[in-house]
Amino acid sequence: AQRVTQPEKLLSVFKGAPVELKCNYSYSGSPELFWYVQYSRQRLQLLLRHISRESIKGFTADLNKGETSFHLKKPFAQEEDSAMYYCALTYTNAGKSTFGDGTTLTVKP
Amino acid sequence: AAGVIQSPRHLIKEKRETATLKCYPIPRHDTVYWYQQGPGQDPQFLISFYEKMQSDKGSIPDRFSAQQFSDYHSELNMSSLELGDSALYFCASSFHTYSDRTYEQYFGPGTRLTVT
Repeated sequence: AQRVTQPEKLLSVFKGAPVELKCNYSYSGSPELFWYVQYSRQRLQLLLRHISRESIKGFTADLNKGETSFHLKKPFAQEEDSAMYYCALTYTNAGKSTFGDGTTLTVKP
Repeated sequence: AAGVIQSPRHLIKEKRETATLKCYPIPRHDTVYWYQQGPGQDPQFLISFYEKMQSDKGSIPDRFSAQQFSDYHSELNMSSLELGDSALYFCASSFHTYSDRTYEQYFGPGTRLTVT
């Protein structure tokens, strides 16, 4: 069965510190992995997709198929990064996505 | 723990028909969000309700309407269905506390709508 696990429910760092949000998945095929972000009282927004390998707002994420991980990283966290982050897995042909439970990131001044 | 419930899980309709999707949020959650995800696409926000009032509106077609009822469940009504409406429709719920923190959003399993 497909599953996305975000082991940290809450993550708190100080401004300027590095941050890593963990995401592990289980899927037998070749998934597409995404990170979504939700700022306070706003809709879910796409942050990153692994196939594009681009950096958005200083965030990067590398798909590690050996470890079945897709951790989200940023070298220097900013206060405006405080939000809810969801890791999601999509089955390319079926179009179905499975989301993790989310990690609330708080960046303290 | 109870999660977000969506019904039906699968729905097959023909073009020009009408469909109604239902979402039952986690108990005590007061906000419901609807997302549409087409095959191989990202979830697209459609509409949200807070305390039975529409709180935000995204890319929801005029053929669609939604509401949140007194028991906080929500229904997405889709009329004059088109082939392009075939997608997975996610509902999510959250509880808006009076704080500066972000609000956790819990997603349902989705309703897969197929329009033939």
